[in-house]
Amino acid sequence: DAGVIQSPRHEVTEMGQEVTLRCKPISGHDYLFWYRQTMMRGLELLIYFNNNVPIDDSGMPEDRFSAKMPNASFSTLKIQPSEPRDSAVYFCASQGWSNYGYTFGSGTRLTVV
Amino acid sequence: AQSVAQPEDQVNVAEGNPLTVKCTYSVSGNPYLFWYVQYPNRGLQFLLKYITGDNLVKGSYGFEAEFNKSQTSFHLKKPSALVSDSALYFCAVNPGTALIFGKGTTLSVSS
Repeated sequence: DAGVIQSPRHEVTEMGQEVTLRCKPISGHDYLFWYRQTMMRGLELLIYFNNNVPIDDSGMPEDRFSAKMPNASFSTLKIQPSEPRDSAVYFCASQGWSNYGYTFGSGTRLTVV
Repeated sequence: AQSVAQPEDQVNVAEGNPLTVKCTYSVSGNPYLFWYVQYPNRGLQFLLKYITGDNLVKGSYGFEAEFNKSQTSFHLKKPSALVSDSALYFCAVNPGTALIFGKGTTLSVSS
């Protein structure tokens, strides 16, 4: 099992550009979560899916953020347009229905200049 | 509101000494509690969890945690710290939806 796979590992982009972060969960896991980590705010839940359906997106900071899960093996988090304050590490995590804990990916470090 | 508090930003301990990283929680109903560790430039790794049963939970790398319902605490402990334990530790609670994380405590173990 390769674990939760995120790409890219690092992304540097200019303000105003569109950014797409990608996540492949562990096969068979029903839940997928997107978190953002910053020094100031710690780990914030952005959105989570159950069986590819968004359940709670109340943590998505603005309409500039959107997330999709077109199938059980792939999810994207898109920021359009990006702003410097979006700079953070974005983590994806997945969870099987019988396991209360999560498996995290290695994260995408986003820098918006 | 449901929340997790880690009152210490940093804990310093000498190698070989016992360590404690504190966590308190506020959640309605029975809490599901977790500890995760994060090494530099890595994702979070699961250490241990409390769902029900014995209040002392044993986890990975020799860590354990004690659930105390009356004090609403779930402190992480290890009898003898290693330099390699130096990392960022997160306490988390699952109120039935998604995990809510504390702000994290940096553990620094000196040789």
